[in-house]
Amino acid sequence: RKEVEQDPGPFNVPEGATVAFNCTYSNSASQSFFWYRQDCRKEPKLLMSVYSSGNEDGRFTAQLNRASQYISLLIRDSKLSDSATYLCVVNEDAGGGNKLTFGTGTQLKVEL
Amino acid sequence: SQTIHQWPATLVQPVGSPLSLECTVEGTSNPNLYWYRQAAGRGLQLLFYSVGIGQISSEVPQNLSASRPQDRQFILSSKKLLLSDSGFYLCAWTPGSGELFFGEGSRLTVL
Repeated sequence: RKEVEQDPGPFNVPEGATVAFNCTYSNSASQSFFWYRQDCRKEPKLLMSVYSSGNEDGRFTAQLNRASQYISLLIRDSKLSDSATYLCVVNEDAGGGNKLTFGTGTQLKVEL
Repeated sequence: SQTIHQWPATLVQPVGSPLSLECTVEGTSNPNLYWYRQAAGRGLQLLFYSVGIGQISSEVPQNLSASRPQDRQFILSSKKLLLSDSGFYLCAWTPGSGELFFGEGSRLTVL
């Protein structure tokens, strides 16, 4: 089983739609979680951290379910500019450092 | 402010040739450093990470190696490249929070 798994998509949605992505992780000792966004042929950029209580940043909401070992990202009122690949990242404390493992990414295409 | 820079940005190498990618972080001390690879249309695969000078953890057995000769310098190397080594190589650092800051990436094509 992969350490961090995501549905690769693509998710093709109309502008204005609400879309949700899930990400599961295998290591129950994982400590922190993040969502990154990657545009084509560019480096990933942090979208938001994921807190235990859930957190919201504008149209984006992130949730963590430790019992079921998954995190989610909800995007409301999708814009064309939201088209990108969304990567979840799981952080394990490894010998004093951070071992940061990425999921394979979920591709989102927002269409007119 | 902290910056991260990696080079070269693009390279085309024949099979069997050596490789050296360099990454430098400025403006911070004792960062955790990472090398990731992204094959075309795939996710990021963690290759190596380092918590300090001379300390390297390898995640995937392969013909690549990494070294950290200075606190701010992280080098990815290979003695003999394979076709399967083609991909987008990304260096990154974290101040310890888990948030990663990436370099611009190095696109390697092995022919």
